[in-house]
Amino acid sequence: GDSVTQMEGPVTLSEEAFLTINCTYTATGYPSLFWYVQYPGEGLQLLLKATKADDKGSNKGFEATYRKETTSFHLEKGSVQVSDSAVYFCALSDPGQGGSEKLVFGKGTKLTVNP
Amino acid sequence: DTAVSQTPKYLVTQMGNDKSIKCEQNLGHDTMYWYKQDSKKFLKIMFSYNNKELIINETVPNRFSPKSPDKAHLNLHINSLELGDSAVYFCASSRGRNQPQHFGDGTRLSIL
Repeated sequence: GDSVTQMEGPVTLSEEAFLTINCTYTATGYPSLFWYVQYPGEGLQLLLKATKADDKGSNKGFEATYRKETTSFHLEKGSVQVSDSAVYFCALSDPGQGGSEKLVFGKGTKLTVNP
Repeated sequence: DTAVSQTPKYLVTQMGNDKSIKCEQNLGHDTMYWYKQDSKKFLKIMFSYNNKELIINETVPNRFSPKSPDKAHLNLHINSLELGDSAVYFCASSRGRNQPQHFGDGTRLSIL
């Protein structure tokens, strides 16, 4: 079945450092790819998405490019802030029946940014 | 304006009890979901409903029974709770395929 593999955490960085969180996927079809972020004690929020090969999703300084040839969707940010501390989830959509689909998540990567 | 709201936020109960978690969305979405997040933060789909019809049912014990009285609500009832049911349960909704899913804040279920 479809699966998502993302780098194990935790990741600890200093403020203004460069961030990369690797994500690769396996899928039988052509999934959409997502990054979700979970701040402590909260639900998941969509950070960015890409729906087809070579699409770049971006939001709040974060970027990720859908690379079909390497089946990857790595998350990057040029200069992290303390407020970026959270758990980041890479996910793909697995189309189901009746207009619905499920998200298949990676295991999450906890990011801590120190001042 | 809460888009996807779940109640209760915390649920502490004893093994063997029956409990329900409620979820409501005011986004006008047709599709709703339940996910389970375990203690290691791993998220897995449990159920999906589209317009009140069950679409996805992932190998979940039949002690878990979702109910969708209308397309804005998807409740989760759990019978005979077990220790392994302790987790955070998230409700989500979306407009459909390839559309982002919007999540509630989660219900932390603790079984004593």
